[in-house]
Amino acid sequence: NAGVTQTPKFQVLKTGQSMTLQCAQDMNHNSMYWYRQDPGMGLRLIYYSASEGTTDKGEVPNGYNVSRLNKREFSLRLESAAPSQTSVYFCASTQTGSGAAQYFGPGTRLLVL
Amino acid sequence: KQEVTQIPAALSVPEGENLVLNCSFTDSAIYNLQWFRQDPGKGLTSLLLIQSSQREQTSGRLNASLDKSSGRSTLYIAASQPGDSATYLCAWSGGYQKVTFGTGTKLQVIP
Repeated sequence: NAGVTQTPKFQVLKTGQSMTLQCAQDMNHNSMYWYRQDPGMGLRLIYYSASEGTTDKGEVPNGYNVSRLNKREFSLRLESAAPSQTSVYFCASTQTGSGAAQYFGPGTRLLVL
Repeated sequence: KQEVTQIPAALSVPEGENLVLNCSFTDSAIYNLQWFRQDPGKGLTSLLLIQSSQREQTSGRLNASLDKSSGRSTLYIAASQPGDSATYLCAWSGGYQKVTFGTGTKLQVIP
């Protein structure tokens, strides 16, 4: 049982390049989330998926797109990376019901030059 | 807008001391409050989850309380150990998309 896994662990991009961050969970959770963590800002929600086939914007969705490929996988895409997107990105999942605990992946460190 | 504040931002204590970390929030329409631990360069590890109907939760040396009326939660760590050194985050949840994290308290336990 790996929990929540994320790939890659670290990535360097040039401004304007695109990339997809991958996330998978093996806990049969219905809901999945993408956050970014910046110094002094805490974690902020980018997008979430309450269930397979649905996605919704969080607090900071601009510049990102997501795909809930199936129940296990939830990807985050940067179409045209900007230096402001330099951050640590975390994927999380939770069981059905907004009262459930969130479980986090190890994170992806992204540097945009 | 919901705000979650954690004070102090950093804390240094000698090993064996009991300590309290604070988390305050402005929106009392809360579903749950979750405490996490984050080690440098790592993801978040869930420590305790308190539902809105609960007053406290305990796990080993950790005890978390929730007071919705005052907008506060506390994480109590008993008999602190050097291995407890980490950043502790609280997260207020008002529903699926309503999750607000505090900026954390960085704890150092000195042997």
